[in-house]
Amino acid sequence: DARVTQTPRHKVTEMGQEVTMRCQPILGHNTVFWYRQTMMQGLELLAYFRNRAPLDDSGMPKDRFSAEMPDATLATLKIQPSEPRDSAVYFCASGWGTVRTGNTIYFGEGSWLTVV
Amino acid sequence: KQEVTQIPAALSVPEGENLVLNCSFTDSAIYNLQWFRQDPGKGLTSLLLIQSSQREQTSGRLNASLDKSSGRSTLYIAASQPGDSATYLCAVTPSGSARQLTFGSGTQLTVLP
Repeated sequence: DARVTQTPRHKVTEMGQEVTMRCQPILGHNTVFWYRQTMMQGLELLAYFRNRAPLDDSGMPKDRFSAEMPDATLATLKIQPSEPRDSAVYFCASGWGTVRTGNTIYFGEGSWLTVV
Repeated sequence: KQEVTQIPAALSVPEGENLVLNCSFTDSAIYNLQWFRQDPGKGLTSLLLIQSSQREQTSGRLNASLDKSSGRSTLYIAASQPGDSATYLCAVTPSGSARQLTFGSGTQLTVLP
């Protein structure tokens, strides 16, 4: 049963610490998304990659956030330094091709981040 | 900027009822619209995807319609069951930009046994 795997599932950290979240997309998928979900803002797209190249990271605060795909089986989202307002659930999703052509995307179960 | 709105934010119905969830979007220039389901503490699962050229899609007890010109979509759930309790989100794929899915804030559905 193919699925998107995210680690850690839960993370509590102190303000100012570095946080790295990891995602293993479904094997064979060439598009990877990072979303953030909060009660106030709902689901927001932070970044997405196709064939490991970043296509859009306009939703991501550049001063503290960075997203990379070191290889086709790993995507990372890093926050340095973390702040309490970063507390949210971070979802990774993967798919084949583009959503525009009707290909759906598959979500992981999220990384629940609390910054105190 | 595309905005997606879902009303109501929460809905509670007795088991067996048919129900309709609503989604509206401000810019009709879309490639498609999707409905997702999210269970507590879980990620999102795609339920139905409607291309901009289509009017509706059906899967089991679910039927989604799309009226692109008026910027509206509905998700119809027939004969609701307690297992349908979840948050339902709609999302559009805007055309003419590089942006991918834009989500609504969801409708939290509770089906009472």
